[in-house]
Amino acid sequence: GQQVMQIPQYQHVQEGEDFTTYCNSSTTLSNIQWYKQRPGGHPVFLIQLVKSGEVKKQKRLTFQFGEAKKNSSLHITATQTTDVGTYFCAGQGAGSYQLTFGKGTKLSVIP
Amino acid sequence: DVKVTQSSRYLVKRTGEKVFLECVQDMDHENMFWYRQDPGLGLRLIYFSYDVKMKEKGDIPEGYSVSREKKERFSLILESASTNQTSMYLCASRWTFGNTIYFGEGSWLTVV
Repeated sequence: GQQVMQIPQYQHVQEGEDFTTYCNSSTTLSNIQWYKQRPGGHPVFLIQLVKSGEVKKQKRLTFQFGEAKKNSSLHITATQTTDVGTYFCAGQGAGSYQLTFGKGTKLSVIP
Repeated sequence: DVKVTQSSRYLVKRTGEKVFLECVQDMDHENMFWYRQDPGLGLRLIYFSYDVKMKEKGDIPEGYSVSREKKERFSLILESASTNQTSMYLCASRWTFGNTIYFGEGSWLTVV
């Protein structure tokens, strides 16, 4: 079955430093989505990428979808304490109902 | 705003008890999902339903069953709870032709 690997599992950064998390799928994806889960909360949708090579930005967050549609990244510029949480990628295979989630990257920001 | 409501936020059950986790969504979504979340293991799909009375096994269905008699409601059933089912359970829903998944707030289940 489809697998989505996400690294790193944990990341501790000083406030103001950049942060990146990476996802790799074992199969080609129709789309990839990113979710953020605050401590004690539930995952909340951030963005969806559909096109090969797509890049989208949300303020300090930059999302990329690889040319082969098998990998993706989320980059946060100049982290803030409000960025703390776990970031999940979720890939959907072609013709599939299912979303397969990566295990998440837990981001800690040291003030 | 889409609302996915999980009726029980915190439960403590004894080993062997039958447990029902209820989930209701208010946006007429066709698809509904049950995940469990454990530290270091991420979100694992237990069951999903792509329409009323339809269900399919996810990655970890053993020890669980589901019921979807009405479109808005998706129930997760633990026939005989065991301590290894202590976890946080997340319900989610989405439109068939939409991709965004909307999650409920989660149900923390402890089996003692």
